[in-house]
Amino acid sequence: EPEVTQTPSHQVTQMGQEVILRCVPISNHLYFYWYRQILGQKVEFLVSFYNNEISEKSEIFDDQFSVERPDGSNFTLKIRSTKLEDSAMYFCASSEALGFRMGETQYFGPGTRLLVL
Amino acid sequence: QKEVEQNSGPLSVPEGAIASLNCTYSDRGSQSFFWYRQYSGKSPELIMFIYSNGDKEDGRFTAQLNKASQYVSLLIRDSQPSDSATYLCVVSLYNFNKFYFGSGTKLNVKP
Repeated sequence: EPEVTQTPSHQVTQMGQEVILRCVPISNHLYFYWYRQILGQKVEFLVSFYNNEISEKSEIFDDQFSVERPDGSNFTLKIRSTKLEDSAMYFCASSEALGFRMGETQYFGPGTRLLVL
Repeated sequence: QKEVEQNSGPLSVPEGAIASLNCTYSDRGSQSFFWYRQYSGKSPELIMFIYSNGDKEDGRFTAQLNKASQYVSLLIRDSQPSDSATYLCVVSLYNFNKFYFGSGTKLNVKP
């Protein structure tokens, strides 16, 4: 069964460093998302991406964050200068289509646990 | 601020019983409603989605939506210990590009 994959599974970085989290969405999916979940807290939407541009972003997704689809398979989240409060599990998700008729089921990857020291 | 509210629990039910999970949302523009299950340390996985008022059944699961009351629920019949997890209520608005998660209800099914 197709699945969303994410690398690395764990990343430890120093405050102020740049990190890039990678995701490979399901191959025929067109919509891509990043979420984060701080330990013990709820899942928070960061950004959605379609047709090589951001569709929506939350107030969390400030100038320190960027997303990119550098090729036909990868979808990346970059954090330019990490802060302690960026420590969280980051989930990538993808969906095939949008809207009522097709359903908008999102499939989540296993997550990348980011620890900023 | 778009709010999705859930009782954090834990909700404890005996094996074989019906578990009832509830969720309220604040934005009347909400169009689509999802229930995800999340095991500790794992990613969310979709159980059901519902768009229209009323009930939607899928196996042991029934989702109920009442847009007038801004209320969504999930019933799990014949609860199993393997159903023990945190259940997330998720809401999206008209554009389907942004999703709001509740903080989840922890369900504990006792053998």
